[in-house]
Amino acid sequence: SQQGEEDPQALSIQEGENATMNCSYKTSINNLQWYRQNSGRGLVHLILIRSNEREKHSGRLRVTLDTSKKSSSLLITASRAADTASYFCATDFTGTASKLTFGTGTRLQVTL
Amino acid sequence: NAGVTQTPKFQVLKTGQSMTLQCAQDMNHEYMSWYRQDPGMGLRLIHYSVGAGITDQGEVPNGYNVSRSTTEDFPLRLLSAAPSQTSVYFCASRRYILTGYTFGSGTRLTVV
Repeated sequence: SQQGEEDPQALSIQEGENATMNCSYKTSINNLQWYRQNSGRGLVHLILIRSNEREKHSGRLRVTLDTSKKSSSLLITASRAADTASYFCATDFTGTASKLTFGTGTRLQVTL
Repeated sequence: NAGVTQTPKFQVLKTGQSMTLQCAQDMNHEYMSWYRQDPGMGLRLIHYSVGAGITDQGEVPNGYNVSRSTTEDFPLRLLSAAPSQTSVYFCASRRYILTGYTFGSGTRLTVV
């Protein structure tokens, strides 16, 4: 399977702290995306980073991509209780004609 | 409202029954995909389409059929339901490869 893997599987932090999630993948990519899923809901697209980009920001989100290590990280700064959710990375692998492949996710719990 | 609409939201089937999960989007998106989500497995791609009349298999296509006769609709057919198909099914669409997917709210299917 080409599925990416997130690390850690679960993360518990207090409100105001930063949360970092990592994603590793196995083959060359066109782009990598991060999604959030609140319990029982559909996924929401957060950010997309292209294979020729190294860092991207969106509000309190910062994503990095290291294609030499085949890894990405998602940093959420100043976490809020509303950030409690599962976070998934997804990859568009080179030459797979739009087959977006998801990792297994990181469950983030932000407590007051 | 613009978005991806999935019906039904919940369904219980008996083993051997067939049914169609409906998916419609009104955003004129070319790319559409079906995923299933099982606990601890992340999202796995069942079938996908890069435009009307074009479909292809994903990671777990066995037991499922799709068709894409229009840009808007991408139904998923279960041919003969099995307990192993108990899952939450998500439909998603996007306009271009370098954009994120918009997800539907999911169909929770139980096969008894």
